[in-house]
Amino acid sequence: DAGVTQSPTHLIKTRGQQVTLRCSPKSGHDTVSWYQQALGQGPQFIFQYYEEEERQRGNFPDRFSGHQFPNYSSELNVNALLLGDSALYLCASSTGPNMYQETQYFGPGTRLLVL
Amino acid sequence: DQQVKQNSPSLSVQEGRISILNCDYTNSMFDYFLWYKKYPAEGPTFLISISSIKDKNEDGRFTVFLNKSAKHLSLHIVPSQPGDSAVYFCAAAPYNTDKLIFGTGTRLQVFP
Repeated sequence: DAGVTQSPTHLIKTRGQQVTLRCSPKSGHDTVSWYQQALGQGPQFIFQYYEEEERQRGNFPDRFSGHQFPNYSSELNVNALLLGDSALYLCASSTGPNMYQETQYFGPGTRLLVL
Repeated sequence: DQQVKQNSPSLSVQEGRISILNCDYTNSMFDYFLWYKKYPAEGPTFLISISSIKDKNEDGRFTVFLNKSAKHLSLHIVPSQPGDSAVYFCAAAPYNTDKLIFGTGTRLQVFP
């Protein structure tokens, strides 16, 4: 049973560019959340997708957007990249949006470096 | 504004002894707390959780204690094993939301 997978594993971009990160949830999971983990910090919640809609959002600008597909996979898009966007981007999946009943399973992350 | 704080960036414990990792929070609306363990090049892995209606939850070698009046929780690992060496994050969820608010992590090293 494959867990949460993310692609690519590493990525280098320059300021002002746009990037798309991808996530495939664990089999049977229908909810995907995205987190940004800067160096030396804990993961910060970006947003969550369920039934192809953004359900909740953290304190991130509109440059961060996402999408969920009918097969429950998800993309995170970041426009107009800034140096401060350099981080590890984690995807987490769960069965249903209410994490009180379900724990979130995290992928290994995509490490983004913005030069 | 760091709502979940782990003030000890690192902890070193001898194998067989108890490891105690601490976490403080500021938001009284948090009502669900979790601990995650993270190895290098892997995503965080869920370890144990506790609801605000409890003050203790135990799972094998891992026990989480919650002191709501002090807004403090701790994770006890006993006995500690070398395989427990990892970064431990505590996380909290406000009532009726799905957002996890993470602390900055504590790196635990268990030596023989």
